[in-house]
Amino acid sequence: DVKVTQSSRYLVKRTGEKVFLECVQDMDHENMFWYRQDPGLGLRLIYFSYDVKMKEKGDIPEGYSVSREKKERFSLILESASTNQTSMYLCASSSKSGRARDTQYFGPGTRLTVL
Amino acid sequence: KQEVTQIPAALSVPEGENLVLNCSFTDSAIYNLQWFRQDPGKGLTSLLLIQSSQREQTSGRLNASLDKSSGRSTLYIAASQPGDSATYLCAARRPDKLIFGTGTRLQVFP
Repeated sequence: DVKVTQSSRYLVKRTGEKVFLECVQDMDHENMFWYRQDPGLGLRLIYFSYDVKMKEKGDIPEGYSVSREKKERFSLILESASTNQTSMYLCASSSKSGRARDTQYFGPGTRLTVL
Repeated sequence: KQEVTQIPAALSVPEGENLVLNCSFTDSAIYNLQWFRQDPGKGLTSLLLIQSSQREQTSGRLNASLDKSSGRSTLYIAASQPGDSATYLCAARRPDKLIFGTGTRLQVFP
């Protein structure tokens, strides 16, 4: 089974703090994604990566950055957390090939609260 | 710009009913369409993925269909059970990303 893990289920931070959210997948997937999910707005893509050291902006990249130094790990960084970044953050991965090509597998999510 | 809409937003049904959840998308140039399930406070679980060249996919009591020309997909759940209670999301794949609907919240009561 594909497993996508996220470093924390719940996180509380203060305004202005630098926040790191970690995501690790164990299926050698090339593609990795970061989303945030808010009531009434659905899932919105923040950043994605199709390969190591490669990143692409999604729909709402402002206030975020990412890092992909290893294939299995994709980190989301909030440079200076703000209250409007309080949300559920979801990481996903997918393969470019094979029977399950394109199917996105999600982690359990991190609920971040910024005070 | 691709938009994905799901109707109804919420549904409450007695156990045993057959259900149809609807998903519509504005741009028919999609690569595939994926259905997910999300339990409260949890991540998403992939249910079915239909490639643009396919018409339907089946897994157990679930059947998903795709009609690109009309911009619609449906998820059919046969003989619903209380354990099916969750939010169901569809997502249409464009070349570089998924566009998600806002989901249908399903409650199946005994």
